[in-house]
Amino acid sequence: SQKIEQNSEALNIQEGKTATLTCNYTNYSPAYLQWYRQDPGRGPVFLLLIRENEKEKRKERLKVTFDTTLKQSLFHITASQPADSATYLCALAPGGSYIPTFGRGTSLIVHP
Amino acid sequence: KAGVTQTPRYLIKTRGQQVTLSCSPISGHRSVSWYQQTPGQGLQFLFEYFSETQRNKGNFPGRFSGRQFSNSRSEMNVSTLELGDSALYLCASSWGDSSYEQYFGPGTRLTVT
Repeated sequence: SQKIEQNSEALNIQEGKTATLTCNYTNYSPAYLQWYRQDPGRGPVFLLLIRENEKEKRKERLKVTFDTTLKQSLFHITASQPADSATYLCALAPGGSYIPTFGRGTSLIVHP
Repeated sequence: KAGVTQTPRYLIKTRGQQVTLSCSPISGHRSVSWYQQTPGQGLQFLFEYFSETQRNKGNFPGRFSGRQFSNSRSEMNVSTLELGDSALYLCASSWGDSSYEQYFGPGTRLTVT
């Protein structure tokens, strides 16, 4: 069955360091992959989308890579700040679908 | 531009009752999707409406239903509530054609007692 795996353990890092979050998937051929941020009690907020034919995407301090051979996406936040503390969700969808399937998310805690 | 709004924000219902949740999408967005989020199952897709038609449906029982109006506003209904229906219900809107980004509302926290 299709599976999207994100590390269930929280990632704790020091302010200023680069945070790297992982999204692995199996039995899936996504056409695109998205990353969202979710704060407690609030809806997810769209951050970045990367398509299957793209290797890397950047937006300000954020960088996403997409390796369809490894079936993995890495999400990087450089120069992390305490305000970056949140749960980060990856979401995948096949071509032609506007409905992504979400991973369970990884909690990021940035310590001052 | 105003974001996605959902009403009510919090709701407490008794087992067996029914509930209707409302979602107003971002102006111009024609697609509205509904999700259920629980600590145990994460974010699960319920259904999507596009131009008043249900375009996609997730694996939820028939007790969960929805509709979309001509102004793109959407409602979802859950009948015969069960304790397991307690969750955060999220609505997301998008253009629904060439754009894949979804814009989520703040959610409705439903508690079934």
